[in-house]
Amino acid sequence: EAQVTQNPRYLITVTGKKLTVTCSQNMNHEYMSWYRQDPGLGLRQIYYSMNVEVTDKGDVPEGYKVSRKEKRNFPLILESPSPNQTSLYFCASSHRGVSSYNEQFFGPGTRLTVL
Amino acid sequence: AQKVTQAQTEISVVEKEDVTLDCVYETRDTTYYLFWYKQPPSGELVFLIRRNSFDEQNEISGRYSWNFQKSTSSFNFTITASQVVDSAVYFCALSEIGGTALIFGKGTTLSVSS
Repeated sequence: EAQVTQNPRYLITVTGKKLTVTCSQNMNHEYMSWYRQDPGLGLRQIYYSMNVEVTDKGDVPEGYKVSRKEKRNFPLILESPSPNQTSLYFCASSHRGVSSYNEQFFGPGTRLTVL
Repeated sequence: AQKVTQAQTEISVVEKEDVTLDCVYETRDTTYYLFWYKQPPSGELVFLIRRNSFDEQNEISGRYSWNFQKSTSSFNFTITASQVVDSAVYFCALSEIGGTALIFGKGTTLSVSS
């Protein structure tokens, strides 16, 4: 089954404790992306990757890091989480990015709470 | 700059009412893509429809229909005979040629009561 998986689905952590949210897709997609969703703000892009070893900032990259060492994986790293990073996070993937008619496949979301 | 506006923050209707969710977009591109997603209370994003800028044909899928009007930069979504299961947050989104992100509106929360 074609899918994007994220782990963990739920996480409660404390300020400053490094964490990684994993994202994996099994569709051999070149493009992957992370979004965060906050009430009243919709979804905003954090980082994206057009292919292996190619990553770039989205609209709200501060406090986050990513890596793309393999095509299927695109982890989101919070080196020192703060309460303002409490949010619902979505990973997405597609062939050739958003500037085409290809469907974006979204993961199930990760609900992060930073105390 | 690209932008998606969903002016209706919350809508409440009673079952079997028809409801229209508005979406207005801004873009300088002549080629672009518009999407609607549904987010039920469980939280996942469910893809509903995709439209490219050259296809202004309206679409109907069961109780759902979409009205795309380039003249008013709108891509509105109508649910006919709403049901409780339609209760969700609905997002309209835009992508452009050369773009690197889906640009989402802030969402409309639809509550359907029985």
